[in-house]
Amino acid sequence: DVKVTQSSRYLVKRTGEKVFLECVQDMDHENMFWYRQDPGLGLRLIYFSYDVKMKEKGDIPEGYSVSREKKERFSLILESASTNQTSMYLCASSSTDSPLHFGNGTRLTVT
Amino acid sequence: KNEVEQSPQNLTAQEGEFITINCSYSVGISALHWLQQHPGGGIVSLFMLSSGKKKHGRLIATINIQEKHSSLHITASHPRDSAVYICAARFSGTYKYIFGTGTRLKVLA
Repeated sequence: DVKVTQSSRYLVKRTGEKVFLECVQDMDHENMFWYRQDPGLGLRLIYFSYDVKMKEKGDIPEGYSVSREKKERFSLILESASTNQTSMYLCASSSTDSPLHFGNGTRLTVT
Repeated sequence: KNEVEQSPQNLTAQEGEFITINCSYSVGISALHWLQQHPGGGIVSLFMLSSGKKKHGRLIATINIQEKHSSLHITASHPRDSAVYICAARFSGTYKYIFGTGTRLKVLA
């Protein structure tokens, strides 16, 4: 079974802090994604990566950056957390012929 | 523009009823996914389709490529089926997925 693991289930950070969200997948998937999920807005793509060191902006990249130094790990970085970044963050992975697999999510609160 | 439309937004059913959720998309896709999210829970992949029909237990997913339409059916619905169901399309030539707005299903005992 594919496993996508996000490092934290809940996080509370202060405004201005640098925040790292980690995601690891164990199925050698090429593609990895970071989404945020907000009530009424559904899933919105922040960034995705289709290979090591490759990244592309999604629909809402402002205030975020990503890192993919190894195939199995995709990190989301909030350079300076703000209250409007309070959200549920979901990591996902896939390959060309595989279903989309999600992690359990990280609920981030920025105070 | 790549778009995915899902209907209905909300659905309430009695236990045992047959349920259909619909998903339409705008242009050619390489795959269509159906996902399930229980309240407070993570997102689980139910099906990935590029043609035809797939069945898993009481769940059936179909896709009509010519009509650019997919349906998710639940037979003999049960309260534990209560969840949000989301369709997601990966359009040809892209790595990205476009998501429907989700269907919130509530099955009453």
